[in-house]
Amino acid sequence: SAVISQKPSRDICQRGTSLTIQCQVDSQVTMMFWYRQQPGQSLTLIATANQGSEATYESGFVIDKFPISRPNLTFSTLTVSNMSPEDSSIYLCSVVGWRGRDTEAFFGQGTRLTVV
Amino acid sequence: AQSVTQLGSHVSVSEGALVLLRCNYSSSVPPYLFWYVQYPNQGLQLLLKYTTGATLVKGINGFEAEFKKSETSFHLTKPSAHMSDAAEYFCAVSSDFNKFYFGSGTKLNVKP
Repeated sequence: SAVISQKPSRDICQRGTSLTIQCQVDSQVTMMFWYRQQPGQSLTLIATANQGSEATYESGFVIDKFPISRPNLTFSTLTVSNMSPEDSSIYLCSVVGWRGRDTEAFFGQGTRLTVV
Repeated sequence: AQSVTQLGSHVSVSEGALVLLRCNYSSSVPPYLFWYVQYPNQGLQLLLKYTTGATLVKGINGFEAEFKKSETSFHLTKPSAHMSDAAEYFCAVSSDFNKFYFGSGTKLNVKP
């Protein structure tokens, strides 16, 4: 199985500032995924991060607002830029890995962001 | 395009009663279907998944789900609810086992 560590686990930020969230995986993976879970809502895919290429963003998400880095096969960062209270959410990192002989999607514990 | 609809944002059952959480999906390709559980202040945990083969899938904690292609459904059931089952449950669909599209979630409340 894949173990995912996210930092920070939570933060309270001032509007207009930016926060970078780190995601570390204990094994090499080709793709890493970033999700947002707004209060009381489900998870929404923000983007797919591939090592060595630009991230692919889902409809409604843009690189200027959510720049992503993927410097190697075990690490990625998501930055939430120029934050507003609407960005208050849980941000999760995900990878697909193996559990035994079965593939499974693994999720980090998430970063709980509050923008004030 | 893929999407998931979960009917009922809140479901309340008595301890020992049947749990039924509904999930319908839309997919232009044969889907992989999943149920995840999220306990308060915790991450997502996989309950079960359907990929190919047997349409009745058994998962952890006594949960099971049946893939019904004709009804585009993947409802989650458990014969007897336990207090520890109180959590939020998410149905998800994927066509490539990479990108996941989640339903809006169902919060399960178990009454003593």
